[in-house]
Amino acid sequence: GAGVSQTPSNKVTEKGKYVELRCDPISGHTALYWYRQSLGQGPEFLIYFQGTGAADDSGLPNDRFFAVRPEGSVSTLKIQRTERGDSAVYLCASSPTGPSYGYTFGSGTRLTVV
Amino acid sequence: AQSVTQLGSHVSVSEGALVLLRCNYSSSVPPYLFWYVQYPNQGLQLLLKYTSAATLVKGINGFEAEFKKSETSFHLTKPSAHMSDAAEYFCAVREIQGAQKLVFGQGTRLTINP
Repeated sequence: GAGVSQTPSNKVTEKGKYVELRCDPISGHTALYWYRQSLGQGPEFLIYFQGTGAADDSGLPNDRFFAVRPEGSVSTLKIQRTERGDSAVYLCASSPTGPSYGYTFGSGTRLTVV
Repeated sequence: AQSVTQLGSHVSVSEGALVLLRCNYSSSVPPYLFWYVQYPNQGLQLLLKYTSAATLVKGINGFEAEFKKSETSFHLTKPSAHMSDAAEYFCAVREIQGAQKLVFGQGTRLTINP
């Protein structure tokens, strides 16, 4: 597609529930990133995919968070046993490989855990 | 590790006045630097980037930034503010190794007074 698409745009879930957030990157972009942005903060890195593999998951806060990208395109961020502290905007970005490129970000998924 | 510091979490200027948003970086190697803008309830949009070519970089919407190695700075400017410039602005440095992830500053909220 023309841009990075994230669904849903908003998600409200109860504490303890499981959620999945989807990201559809720009076609041909091999690098895919997930970030989390809390209110009033800059985005914080969660995980990076190069192709199908998670090349760097050092930003995932704990083992309740997991992400996949099985075919090297669409990615899903999965959060188990959600907690109120998980409430944030989750941003996905894609990029060609190479540090001189900027990311193209999606509009984000606003997750609210009640 | 690379990092950026944005001086001033909130900047307020009058319409038509000069906009100056400050960013200092920390990097042991020549950096790749970026400025992003985020409008309310939207994702991040790339304004401009520095990739070791010209030190004065021009971006969209009349913004520009100057890379100053001696000052480790990459400040964002616009000669004349417009009401539509009101947004959150993020400076970021991209790692050149590993995940090549973007590391963001905390952001500066720009308010334009009529």
